[in-house]
Amino acid sequence: DIQMTQSPSSLSASVGDRVTITCRASQGISNYLAWYQQKPGKVPKLLMYAASTLQSGVPPRFSGSGSGTDFTLTITSLQPEDVATYYCQTYHIATWTFGQGTKVEIK
Amino acid sequence: QVQLVESGGGVVQPGRSLRLSCAASGFSFSNYGMHWVRQAPGKGLEWVAVISNDGRIKKYADSMRGRFTISRDDSKNTLYLQINSLGAEDTAVYYCAKETDWAKPFDYWGQGTLVTVSS
Repeated sequence: DIQMTQSPSSLSASVGDRVTITCRASQGISNYLAWYQQKPGKVPKLLMYAASTLQSGVPPRFSGSGSGTDFTLTITSLQPEDVATYYCQTYHIATWTFGQGTKVEIK
Repeated sequence: QVQLVESGGGVVQPGRSLRLSCAASGFSFSNYGMHWVRQAPGKGLEWVAVISNDGRIKKYADSMRGRFTISRDDSKNTLYLQINSLGAEDTAVYYCAKETDWAKPFDYWGQGTLVTVSS
């Protein structure tokens, strides 16, 4: 099975800061990587797929990059409504695995 | 609009079985693969199982294989998850989720149904 490892597990940043979350796959997954946002008490929401393609309606301050085993999710200017836990997910060759999540808080 | 509504959760004794349902509406249910994902209290997301649009392909997470059975009834636009021999480790919110396309990410999620395994 493919393992997905996110870092950090949590972070605290100020409004307007640039925030970067990394996700590493245990084997190459090309660009079969999605990011989800789960706000407290809410259902997960698809942010991005194919590593860097923004889902419709997602603000452009979110961006993604990477291929193979190493991926990043960047929030260019953190907003209060971005407080959430972010999960990466691979869907490589019909295998679905989530990372353990990164909790983002406002300092 | 797309709606996914789970039901069937509750408090269950260890060793018992449970069947969860997910009623879908607002899209052509029979055209999409469907998934179950669970989330233990205060923990992360854990993929459980998938069933293809035609029901021929069923896949399970390694830790779920054997006790979990995913199925669908396209005439009722409903997805199911049968869980046998429930243990404390199965306590979680169970979400159903719709794929954007086969073997692709999930664009819609239900609100989830809470399963609590306790004596």
